[in-house]
Amino acid sequence: KNEVEQSPQNLTAQEGEFITINCSYSVGISALHWLQQHPGGGIVSLFMLSSGKKKHGRLIATINIQEKHSSLHITASHPRDSAVYICAVRLNNAGNMLTFGGGTRLMVKP
Amino acid sequence: DAMVIQNPRYQVTQFGKPVTLSCSQTLNHNVMYWYQQKSSQAPKLLFHYYDKDFNNEADTPDNFQSRRPNTSFCFLDIRSPGLGDAAMYLCATSRARGAYEQYFGPGTRLTVT
Repeated sequence: KNEVEQSPQNLTAQEGEFITINCSYSVGISALHWLQQHPGGGIVSLFMLSSGKKKHGRLIATINIQEKHSSLHITASHPRDSAVYICAVRLNNAGNMLTFGGGTRLMVKP
Repeated sequence: DAMVIQNPRYQVTQFGKPVTLSCSQTLNHNVMYWYQQKSSQAPKLLFHYYDKDFNNEADTPDNFQSRRPNTSFCFLDIRSPGLGDAAMYLCATSRARGAYEQYFGPGTRLTVT
C-alpha cells in the first residue's frame, strides 16, 4: 500500500464547478504539499500545510492531522485549472525527502 | 520573476554521449534538489545538496552525478545516457532542511536518441 493515496485518479468537470481532490497518508508527517503540474510542464508549489487551512485565490487546502487527510478545493473551476495535482508529504524523520501521491489528473471543460 | 531557472528546457543527446543540465536560483536557498520524472510517474529524488554537503539517494545510478560550485548553481551530469534516462529532470530548492516549501524549476525534458 502506498504511503500517500490520492483520489480520484482522474476527474472531469464542467467550467464553474466546485472541485475537491483528496489525499490520505498512513504515517506521521511534518508537512504536506500540494503541487500542480500542467501537461509537459514543470511543477508549481501551491501550498505547504502542517495544520489547518490555507487559501490562495480560488484554491483552498485543508489538512486534518488526526485523520491523516488533506483536501484541495478549487472554486469556480476554469479550463486553465486543467492539470495534474500532486499531494506530497514530508515524513517524520525522512530528512528532505518528499513522498509523492500518484496525482490527480483534472480536466475542466468549457 | 523567475526564481528557479533550468537550462535548457529541452535537451536532445545521443546514447552514451555525456550531457549536463543546469539549474540556478535567485532565492539564496541552502538546499537544491534534482528529481527525475518519467512519463505519468511521480518525481523521484536523485540527490540533494545542503549547502556543499552532497546527499545521494541509495538507488540513484552511478551514471548520475551532480556539482554545486556555489549557492546559486547546481548541475546534473549524466555520464553515459541510456534510452531509459529519457525523462523530465526537475530542479527544486528550499530554504533549509526540514519542513520548508520546495520551489520547483520548469524542468528540462531530456530525449536520448
